[in-house]
Amino acid sequence: GAVVSQHPSRVICKSGTSVKIECRSLDFQATTMFWYRQFPKQSLMLMATSNEGSKATYEQGVEKDKFLINHASLTLSTLTVTSAHPEDSSFYICSASPGAWGDNEQFFGPGTRLTVL
Amino acid sequence: QKEVEQDPGPLSVPEGAIVSLNCTYSNSAFQYFMWYRQYSRKGPELLMYTYSSGNKEDGRFTAQVDKSSKYISLFIRDSQPSDSATYLCAMNTNAGKSTFGDGTTLTVKP
Repeated sequence: GAVVSQHPSRVICKSGTSVKIECRSLDFQATTMFWYRQFPKQSLMLMATSNEGSKATYEQGVEKDKFLINHASLTLSTLTVTSAHPEDSSFYICSASPGAWGDNEQFFGPGTRLTVL
Repeated sequence: QKEVEQDPGPLSVPEGAIVSLNCTYSNSAFQYFMWYRQYSRKGPELLMYTYSSGNKEDGRFTAQVDKSSKYISLFIRDSQPSDSATYLCAMNTNAGKSTFGDGTTLTVKP
């Protein structure tokens, strides 16, 4: 089956630092990758959609200058949380889709738990 | 009103029970319907993926889509303690962006 990895799985950082999270599709080419955040006992909140080689599309209310997304290749997307603050502490999950016409399946990574002190 | 409404739960059943998880939606453009299972502190895992109306079976899991009623269900037969998780429904238009339900937490007691 399709496998998506995320690194790191857990990160603790000081307020004001930047944190980069990697999302990789291991056995397929991901035309589209999605970034979500999830608060405890809540559903997934889509932050942005990224397509390889183009700028990410951010959802309303998500600051693109704070959450930098780079989809550099068909197997790698990165999310950088810049100048992180405690309110950015959350569970960040990426997903990847092969993106072929009619194929809307998303395969999720295991998530990254960010704690900002 | 949310585009996707999911039965909130939580749901607690004895081992071996049949479980029914349900979602309704309002956007008639949704064409693709998914069910994900998410264990605590893990990413969602795709369980079932269906296109348009009908039933799809995979082992103990059956996904049912009724587009006329804008209603989807996931049935779990012979439920096991290992099925204890949060189940998320999701649906897409052709644009590829998924809209998720809020999830139903299921506990299967031995």
